[in-house]
Amino acid sequence: DIQMTQSPSSLSASVGDRVTITCRAGQSISSYLNWYQQKPGKAPTLLIHAASNLQSGVPSRFRGSGSGTDFTLIISSLQPEDYGTYFCQQSYRTPYTFGQGTKLEIK
Amino acid sequence: QIQLVQSGPEVKKPGASVKVSCKTSGYAFSSFGLTWVRQAPGHGLEWMGWIAPKSNTKLYAQKLQDRVTLTTDTSTNTAYMELRSLTSDDTAVYYCAREPGDGVHNWLDPWGQGTLVTVSS
Repeated sequence: DIQMTQSPSSLSASVGDRVTITCRAGQSISSYLNWYQQKPGKAPTLLIHAASNLQSGVPSRFRGSGSGTDFTLIISSLQPEDYGTYFCQQSYRTPYTFGQGTKLEIK
Repeated sequence: QIQLVQSGPEVKKPGASVKVSCKTSGYAFSSFGLTWVRQAPGHGLEWMGWIAPKSNTKLYAQKLQDRVTLTTDTSTNTAYMELRSLTSDDTAVYYCAREPGDGVHNWLDPWGQGTLVTVSS
């Protein structure tokens, strides 16, 4: 199975801050990388697919980049509604594995 | 709009089986695969398997393949996940998710609301 490692595991930031979350794959996965946001008690929702493609309806302050083994999710200007846990997921090979999550708190 | 609506919470005893349904609407059911993912309390997301309704092709996570069965009913646009020989380790929220793609990449969107399965004696 392809291991996905996210960092940090948690962070706290203020409204307006630039936030960066990284995801590293245990082997090259090209651009087969998706990002999801999950709010407490809710199902995950898709933010970014294929490493850098913004899902329809997702605010443009979210940006994804990377290829191979190293990927980044950037929130350019943090908003109050961006709290939650963020997961990366590889879709290069089944079983599709997820990162352990990054819990984002708004100060 | 595209919706995936799952069945309600379940409480099961160890050794029992559970069957969770995922009723879809708003898209051509047979044209997209469906993935099942579970999330144990306070834990991350675990891919369980995938099914293509049109071809009935299935893929299962190796650790679950002896205990899980995915099926679909194309007459009602509904997918099912059955898990047998339950233990406390199977206590989790179970999600179904549609798997669209661009012919090269795949992703999960949207997800069902989740079904809590509790295994307790």
